[in-house]
Amino acid sequence: NAGVTQTPKFQVLKTGQSMTLQCAQDMNHEYMSWYRQDPGMGLRLIHYSVGAGITDQGEVPNGYNVSRSTTEDFPLRLLSAAPSQTSVYFCASSIRGNTEAFFGQGTRLTVV
Amino acid sequence: EDQVTQSPEALRLQEGESSSLNCSYTVSGLRGLFWYRQDPGKGPEFLFTLYSAGEEKEKERLKATLTKKESFLHITAPKPEDSATYLCAVQAMYSGTYKYIFGTGTRLKVLA
Repeated sequence: NAGVTQTPKFQVLKTGQSMTLQCAQDMNHEYMSWYRQDPGMGLRLIHYSVGAGITDQGEVPNGYNVSRSTTEDFPLRLLSAAPSQTSVYFCASSIRGNTEAFFGQGTRLTVV
Repeated sequence: EDQVTQSPEALRLQEGESSSLNCSYTVSGLRGLFWYRQDPGKGPEFLFTLYSAGEEKEKERLKATLTKKESFLHITAPKPEDSATYLCAVQAMYSGTYKYIFGTGTRLKVLA
């Protein structure tokens, strides 16, 4: 099993550009989520999904969109990149919302 | 406001020197407390879940305990390979959905 796979691992964007961070899991988990990790701050929830077709906002959703058309995939879209979105992004999945999360390797994004 | 505080921020130990990491929390309706290990450039990796005060879990040199206000991660006779950032997260129910609140982590360095 590959677990949770994120692509790309590194990305540099110019301010105003858009892009999609990919996340796929092969464990048939219902619950998937996106976090960002910044120095001196804990992981913060951006968006989450409790199943295909269902998404909701987390703590810091502004500037990001998500969709969940299949159980396996949960892409995160940056609509118009800003320097404040420079961060490391992690995708996670779990069997249910109250079980342990499995994290991907992360995407390090720099917006210049 | 729900909050998780980890201390110390950083800890340097000699190989074999036992110590404890602290995770204190204020959250209404705690559903679980999770410990994760994060290596540089990697995503967090699940270690333990604790659900009720008095509960203890062990894995190799690590032992996690839980009280009503805090959790400890005890490291007995650590080895250099235990060097990592240890993250604590509490899980609570918000608007019918389980969500994590993460601490900022303790960076552990074990010297040979």
